[in-house]
Amino acid sequence: DVKVTQSSRYLVKRTGEKVFLECVQDMDHENMFWYRQDPGLGLRLIYFSYDVKMKEKGDIPEGYSVSREKKERFSLILESASTNQTSMYLCASSGRDREAYEQYFGPGTRLTVT
Amino acid sequence: AQSVTQPDIHITVSEGASLELRCNYSYGATPYLFWYVQSPGQGLQLLLKYFSGDTLVQGIKGFEAEFKRSQSSFNLRKPSVHWSDAAEYFCALYALTGGGNKLTFGTGTQLKVEL
Repeated sequence: DVKVTQSSRYLVKRTGEKVFLECVQDMDHENMFWYRQDPGLGLRLIYFSYDVKMKEKGDIPEGYSVSREKKERFSLILESASTNQTSMYLCASSGRDREAYEQYFGPGTRLTVT
Repeated sequence: AQSVTQPDIHITVSEGASLELRCNYSYGATPYLFWYVQSPGQGLQLLLKYFSGDTLVQGIKGFEAEFKRSQSSFNLRKPSVHWSDAAEYFCALYALTGGGNKLTFGTGTQLKVEL
């Protein structure tokens, strides 16, 4: 089974702090994704990566950056956390070719910024 | 640009009753469509997917969905709902963008099951 793990289930940070959310997948997947999930808005794509050191902006990249130094790990960085970044963050991964269409999700990190 | 609409924010059904969750999409090419389920406090799990071919697709946990091109719909159905089906359900459309791939999600339908 594909396993996508996220470093924390719950995280509380203060405004202005630098926040790192880590995601690791164990299936040698090329593609990795970061979403945020808010009530009534569904999932919105923040960034994705289709290869090591490659990244593409999603629909809402403002206030976020990412890092992919190794194939299995994809990090989301909040340079200076703000209260409007309080949300559920979901990481996902997918393979190549036809497997690219099917994304596997981690359990999520619920981030609260106070 | 592609979009996915789930018109029902909340649905309540009795255990044992049938279920249909609606999904409409807008996309300029042949869509790849998915239904995901999210149990409380969990990530998303894939229920079923449609790429091409038979318009009625079967998924896990007894769910099925029917692709109707003329109506731009991909509704999820289950003949008899179980209390454990209470969760949030997301419809998603796959779109190819330059240099990568992405899913566009609907806003979700929260399913409540009354015993």
